[in-house]
Amino acid sequence: AQSVSQHNHHVILSEAASLELGCNYSYGGTVNLFWYVQYPGQHLQLLLKYFSGDPLVKGIKGFEAEFIKSKFSFNLRKPSVQWSDTAEYFCAVNAPGSASKIIFGSGTRLSIRP
Amino acid sequence: DTEVTQTPKHLVMGMTNKKSLKCEQHMGHRAMYWYKQKAKKPPELMFVYSYEKLSINESVPSRFSPECPNSSLLNLHLHALQPEDSALYLCASSQDRGRQTSANYGYTFGSGTRLTVV
Repeated sequence: AQSVSQHNHHVILSEAASLELGCNYSYGGTVNLFWYVQYPGQHLQLLLKYFSGDPLVKGIKGFEAEFIKSKFSFNLRKPSVQWSDTAEYFCAVNAPGSASKIIFGSGTRLSIRP
Repeated sequence: DTEVTQTPKHLVMGMTNKKSLKCEQHMGHRAMYWYKQKAKKPPELMFVYSYEKLSINESVPSRFSPECPNSSLLNLHLHALQPEDSALYLCASSQDRGRQTSANYGYTFGSGTRLTVV
């Protein structure tokens, strides 16, 4: 069965610090990977996705993620965070044969100190 | 229109009430979803509709009854809920698999209905 692991439950950073949030998935076949963000009191928004091709994916708001197939990882990065990046971040995976079912990781809460 | 609209935004209901949550999209998506999200937890899939047919039911209790009357609408009928059913209920839609590309792949989520059962 597909699963997604986010080992960092809560990350606290100062503004301008660099960010890396870990995501590992357990599925041996071809996968599509996503990072969603949920700002306080708001709905889930797609940050970026890996569908195929270049494993380094650039998303909105300066975020990027790298798909490393050998490590089953899809870590999210941002070189310099802002206070407005405070939110919950969810990694998600979908195997193309699973009828569009997307499985979410447990989420990482990111708190940015101004 | 690139939105998924959910109504109501907030709902408080008693355990004997019957209510419905509504979801609407006009992006031509033929797959629609209900997710349940408890506080500080990830969304959990409840139902998937594909071309107005129920394709996935994740063993959801029968007090939750989904309905897809047409390709733009998705309802979730609620009856005899329990306090532990209080959560944020999210609707999402996606392009059907035959028309998926790398550009459009993925879900579009609504803002959710925050449900409180008293």
